[in-house]
Amino acid sequence: KQEVTQIPAALSVPEGENLVLNCSFTDSAIYNLQWFRQDPGKGLTSLLLIQSSQREQTSGRLNASLDKSSGRSTLYIAASQPGDSATYLCAVRGNQFYFGTGTSLTVIP
Amino acid sequence: EADIYQTPRYLVIGTGKKITLECSQTMGHDKMYWYQQDPGMELHLIHYSYGVNSTEKGDLSSESTVSRIRTEHFPLTLESARPSHTSQYLCASIGQNTEAFFGQGTRLTVV
Repeated sequence: KQEVTQIPAALSVPEGENLVLNCSFTDSAIYNLQWFRQDPGKGLTSLLLIQSSQREQTSGRLNASLDKSSGRSTLYIAASQPGDSATYLCAVRGNQFYFGTGTSLTVIP
Repeated sequence: EADIYQTPRYLVIGTGKKITLECSQTMGHDKMYWYQQDPGMELHLIHYSYGVNSTEKGDLSSESTVSRIRTEHFPLTLESARPSHTSQYLCASIGQNTEAFFGQGTRLTVV
């Protein structure tokens, strides 16, 4: 069974810092990997989708990379803002959709 | 913009009641999923469907049932609600090798 792990579990940074969130998975046979943001009590908002054949995707201040052979993905957030505070989840899609445990990010003004 | 909707957003109900949580999507996606999530905790897959008349149980069936009579509609039913069912329920849909989209969730409280 696919296992998805996210490190760190929680992160607190001052506003303006660049930061990296990590996601690892045990089975490299995936269709794609997706990063989500979740605000407290809300649903998941899609941030970036990386197909298995791709190495990275960018959207604004966000950049996600995928190294399928080593079972790793990173989400890079540039110039963090207080509005970026949320929980960030990665999910890999194989036969099913498997979620990581999330990284809770707090950006301090 | 995601076109997947869940109703109700919030629900408080008494123990033993039967309830149905609604989920609809207008994207024509075949694959749909129900997840249960306690505050600050990970998502647990309850049920999923790969198309009309196709439903499967996930890791956590939570004594619920689903149906998929139409592509766009994937309701979740609890036959007899219990306090242990208090949680947030999230519905998602995925097209072929495309992005997953989530609804805003239904926060259920069973008293």
